[in-house]
Amino acid sequence: QQQVKQSPQSLIVQKGGISIINCAYENTAFDYFPWYQQFPGKGPALLIAIRPDVSEKKEGRFTISFNKSAKQFSLHIMDSQPGDSATYFCAATLSGNTPLVFGKGTRLSVIA
Amino acid sequence: DGGITQSPKYLFRKEGQNVTLSCEQNLNHDAMYWYRQDPGQGLRLIYYSQIVNDFQKGDIAEGYSVSREKKESFPLTVTSAQKNPTAFYLCASSMRLAGDRTGELFFGEGSRLTVL
Repeated sequence: QQQVKQSPQSLIVQKGGISIINCAYENTAFDYFPWYQQFPGKGPALLIAIRPDVSEKKEGRFTISFNKSAKQFSLHIMDSQPGDSATYFCAATLSGNTPLVFGKGTRLSVIA
Repeated sequence: DGGITQSPKYLFRKEGQNVTLSCEQNLNHDAMYWYRQDPGQGLRLIYYSQIVNDFQKGDIAEGYSVSREKKESFPLTVTSAQKNPTAFYLCASSMRLAGDRTGELFFGEGSRLTVL
């Protein structure tokens, strides 16, 4: 049972463009939604996270948009750079009760 | 430096052999995890532990075993019962079980197991 559905599986964006990755969740009890970034041969690292009491969170060029009624959240990368090329995972959990549930990942390639 | 150390980085084994992957952390974290990563499958949870001498099965525990005798260490054994063991294995730790900054996962660099 996949509790967090992520799309697209892969994404190619021109340098300077906007990268958008979407996730949908099923469990309405989830209350913490992080995004992790993984470079080839490395472990993932936390990029940005949001709680459902806000609709948007921005950190530099990275923004999470959250739609509680639709049970969806998305990652936007503005002014995408080749150094952003990585695999991105969305995740969700009920705080303190369960481990993170991860989406299947999106492989982003930013080309010059 | 604080962090998660996984070893070995690469491992080759013959079919039918058990193999143990090491994971050590010096972050003083209570919770530790093992994930399996396959292309297009994301990160799937094998086992996790919130405290010494206690651990819980994740989504794909069959064919795997773990122990948590020390806070710093959480080794994973891939047994011969695991039908498709070739994969990239990631260990992680967090201060507490998931949720806000105290639940942030810190990952090791992974161990790539190939069964011949």
